[in-house]
Amino acid sequence: AQSVTQLDSQVPVFEEAPVELRCNYSSSVSVYLFWYVQYPNQGLQLLLKYLSGSTLVESINGFEAEFNKSQTSFHLRKPSVHISDTAEYFCAVSPTSYDKVIFGPGTSLSVIP
Amino acid sequence: NAGVTQTPKFRVLKTGQSMTLLCAQDMNHEYMYWYRQDPGMGLRLIHYSVGEGTTAKGEVPDGYNVSRLKKQNFLLGLESAAPSQTSVYFCASGASGRNEQFFGPGTRLTVL
Repeated sequence: AQSVTQLDSQVPVFEEAPVELRCNYSSSVSVYLFWYVQYPNQGLQLLLKYLSGSTLVESINGFEAEFNKSQTSFHLRKPSVHISDTAEYFCAVSPTSYDKVIFGPGTSLSVIP
Repeated sequence: NAGVTQTPKFRVLKTGQSMTLLCAQDMNHEYMYWYRQDPGMGLRLIHYSVGEGTTAKGEVPDGYNVSRLKKQNFLLGLESAAPSQTSVYFCASGASGRNEQFFGPGTRLTVL
């Protein structure tokens, strides 16, 4: 079975400061990895994903995540956050041979002006 | 393209009542999913479908039934609603398990 842990339920950070949202997963098989973002009163949107190849993946709005197989982690980082980044962030894994995705509990990022 | 739409957006039920939530997608996706979102628990998969006419149980299927009679529609039914089913329900679709899932705006259900 697979599981996803997001160690921080809430992360407050000042505007223009860097942020890291942590994600660890447990799986006995190969997985695909995802970060989704949920803005207030909306559904989830894909932020970035790792399927194969380079372990560092980037999104169009400045976020990046690095797949670390030995530590089974997929932490999300941004060097300088904006007010508009305030949202709930979900890490997710999908075993390569399965049809579904397992989501973590989420991390609420609050950017303080 | 409307993407993924959900009907209704809000609903209040009394214990024991039944209802059906409708999800529709116009992206010709094979895979469709129903999740519930509760505070501190993330998204939990209720049921999913890998194609027209197929359904499978997810993590929390008890108390729910689903049907996928048409490729573009995925229905979630509650036969006898309970207060524990108060939640926000999200539908999603995707081309496959490895691809991005596209989410609807959600249905907020309250069971009194």
